[in-house]
Amino acid sequence: SAVISQKPSRDICQRGTSLTIQCQVDSQVTMMFWYRQQPGQSLTLIATANQGSEATYESGFVIDKFPISRPNLTFSTLTVSNMSPEDSSIYLCSVGQGDEKLFFGSGTQLSVL
Amino acid sequence: AQKITQTQPGMFVQEKEAVTLDCTYDTSDQSYGLFWYKQPSSGEMIFLIYQGSYDEQNATEGRYSLNFQKARKSANLVISASQLGDSAMYFCAMRLAGRRALTFGSGTRLQVQP
Repeated sequence: SAVISQKPSRDICQRGTSLTIQCQVDSQVTMMFWYRQQPGQSLTLIATANQGSEATYESGFVIDKFPISRPNLTFSTLTVSNMSPEDSSIYLCSVGQGDEKLFFGSGTQLSVL
Repeated sequence: AQKITQTQPGMFVQEKEAVTLDCTYDTSDQSYGLFWYKQPSSGEMIFLIYQGSYDEQNATEGRYSLNFQKARKSANLVISASQLGDSAMYFCAMRLAGRRALTFGSGTRLQVQP
């Protein structure tokens, strides 16, 4: 299975600031995704990170709020911009290897004050 | 649109007993994949088991097995010989062919009692 390193593991941020979360994989993967898990909730897909092109966002998520980069097949970043307390969540990156394997990073626990 | 339903918000099981976590899904697609993940209190998502819609045999991975009933659109997770370390949230998820990302159910919190 792919080894996924996600940083930071947690952070406490002030409202109005931005945080960039990094996801590094130990092998090239075709698919990378970013999910959000609000407190006590299930996971919701934010976007698919596309290598070399703009990310594909799900309904309710926009690039200005959640800019995503994917410069190569092993690395992606998600930025949470102009944060508010409603952005307090766990953010997880996920990578796919074939149809049967979808793995997650350890998550970033974000608290916005 | 696809939907995953987990009707058990919480479950209790005695250590060493088996437990079944329910999952039903709704899709009109013929090709799809079903997944189960475990999320301990640390927050990471641990892949447990996968079942493809065309797989005729139920998937098994160690103490985990997936009871796949295609006609009923159910994909229940069976954990045999429960251990205290099995206490966690469990999520059922589905992926449609041609759509790489997962749709998740609301989860079931399992508590294993000594």
